[in-house]
Amino acid sequence: DAGITQSPRHKVTETGTPVTLRCHQTENHRYMYWYRQDPGHGLRLIHYSYGVKDTDKGEVSDGYSVSRSKTEDFLLTLESATSSQTSVYFCAIRAGYSSYEQYFGPGTRLTVT
Amino acid sequence: GQQLNQSPQSMFIQEGEDVSMNCTSSSIFNTWLWYKQEPGEGPVLLIALYKAGELTSNGRLTAQFGITRKDSFLNISASIPSDVGIYFCAGQLGSNYQLIWGAGTKLIIKP
Repeated sequence: DAGITQSPRHKVTETGTPVTLRCHQTENHRYMYWYRQDPGHGLRLIHYSYGVKDTDKGEVSDGYSVSRSKTEDFLLTLESATSSQTSVYFCAIRAGYSSYEQYFGPGTRLTVT
Repeated sequence: GQQLNQSPQSMFIQEGEDVSMNCTSSSIFNTWLWYKQEPGEGPVLLIALYKAGELTSNGRLTAQFGITRKDSFLNISASIPSDVGIYFCAGQLGSNYQLIWGAGTKLIIKP
């Protein structure tokens, strides 16, 4: 257990509304990641963070923004949700400087109607 | 972008059978990771590989880091019902913080 929680676990929202997903970790890991998972696409990286206020884009960052004001929290925001952003969102942490192992949270299922 | 080719996409197996799956790429990787995901949960790390040729076991699971560093293999011996799920490979290139992910192999036990 890597001490990662995600909230909410499920959310239904309407097109055009803003949505923020939260990832919280308790073990002071420097690197945090947001992925989305869709059938046929596996896991795709949205954004990642390598420290407080240090973030960078991943493969599918359009329409998403992130913030990390504290080590333990990494927030993913959909400024104006679209139906194409209906997905399962996973947060992950990287285990340490010398390890590329990532450990995942339980996921958030987001439905945009 | 970089791609990992994971095969097969799905497997129907009888309980007790051995299972093999693999990931290949045209790129050279420094690390290979194998994960399992069950419905409604996040992926769970099964095995991590760090050296070409490395063979590592975790119970009935055995994974290998290919000699060419462009591929990796996962074997499950004597499958049981709780082995069902989706297995993902992931590879790490150079000094990149990111992982490259395979599309997954779905393991289904025949009734």
